[in-house]
Order: sequence, then C-alpha cells, then structure tokens
Amino acid sequence: GEQVEQRPPHLSVREGDSAVIICTYTDPNSYYFFWYKQEPGAGLQLLMKVFSSTEINEGQGFTVLLNKKDKQLSLNLTAAHPGDSAVYFCAVTINMGYKLTFGTGTSLLVDP
Amino acid sequence: DAGVTQTPRHEVAEKGQTIILKCEPVSGHNDLFWYRQTKIQGLELLSYFRSKSLMEDGGAFKDRFKAEMLNSSFSTLKIQPTEPKDSAVYLCASSPQGFTGQLYFGEGSKLTVL
Repeated sequence: GEQVEQRPPHLSVREGDSAVIICTYTDPNSYYFFWYKQEPGAGLQLLMKVFSSTEINEGQGFTVLLNKKDKQLSLNLTAAHPGDSAVYFCAVTINMGYKLTFGTGTSLLVDP
Repeated sequence: DAGVTQTPRHEVAEKGQTIILKCEPVSGHNDLFWYRQTKIQGLELLSYFRSKSLMEDGGAFKDRFKAEMLNSSFSTLKIQPTEPKDSAVYLCASSPQGFTGQLYFGEGSKLTVL
C-alpha cells in the first residue's frame, strides 16, 4: 500500500527564517495531496489541498510544491514566525478515494 | 458555525473497562471519520461513515472498537474492553460530501488506560 515518508521529524528555526518540510510517497496513483497543521492540544487544521502536477500553490506565508515525477510534496514556510510552531502533516489519497495516508509529522519550533 | 465537537476531552480508564467517546460533526457534513493518534503509529483510520453508513470498520481495530452513527449529527466510538495499549488521542473529523480529504477535525479525546 501507499507509504508516505516525511522529513525532518523535528525542525527548529529562528523567526524570519524559512522552513522546508518534504514528503515522499510511493503510489503512482496518488491523486490528492494535503498539508495539515496541528497545534498543541488541538485537532488537525487543513492548510492546503493540491492535485496538479508540479504545481506551486501559495498560501498565507507558505508555498506548496507538488512534483509528481519525483513523487514529492513540499511545504515551505517562507518567513516563519512563532505562531507557526506546530506539528505539520502531509497526507495523500489514492485515486479519488476517501482514505488519507498521513506522513509521520514534523514538529516545527520557531524561536522569536 | 460550530466545528467538530468531541467529548470527553480527557478520559482515564482502568484496564478492562468500557469507554465511549462522542463526536458531533459539523452540521451538514456527510462524511465522518474516527482516527487514533499516537507518537509511534501516527494517525490510523478506525472508522469511516458516509451519510451514516459504515464504509470502513478499521480492519485490525474492529475486534474491540465499535463506531456507530445513530443520526447525522452524532457518532460514538466504543472501546470494550480497554487495554493499556489503547492509550492515545482519538480524533473525530467530518467532511462535506465531494470534498475528498478536506477534513475538519475535533480537538480530540485523550484516553489513558491504566
């Protein structure tokens, strides 16, 4: 079945620096791709959904890149601030199915 | 609009007890999911309902875990009997129909089994 490797598991950056998290998946039929953010004691919050190949998507303070050729999904926080400190998860669906396969998570700490 | 509501937020149980976790999805959402979250295993899907019908019962989890959705606005997850390895955060999520993967999560119920 689908396997999603996420790295790094922990990331510490200074305020204003960039932070990059990368997920590598295995199933070529992977279709929808997601980034979720989990703050302490809270559920996961959807940051972005993408499905087009080699698509750059810009959100508030972050960029998501999907490279289907290399089976990689990345999240780039362009100028991190302390409010970005959280655990980030990538997630993938096969074809258009409902089942999400989550990455293992990246704990991001942004020092002021 | 209210988000996904889960109760209780924290539960402590003795081994062998029965516990019931509750979830109220976002009003109007058709899909409901139960996940278990641990540091070792990450996020694991326990159950999935579409329009109150059980579509996935979690395979390896169905032995002692039972999720029900009696109406479109309420779901329960029963664990019977509990074991210490069930200690985890149980997350409920809902999704509008047709919005694959776009889940709205509750804050979770943290279960500790002694």
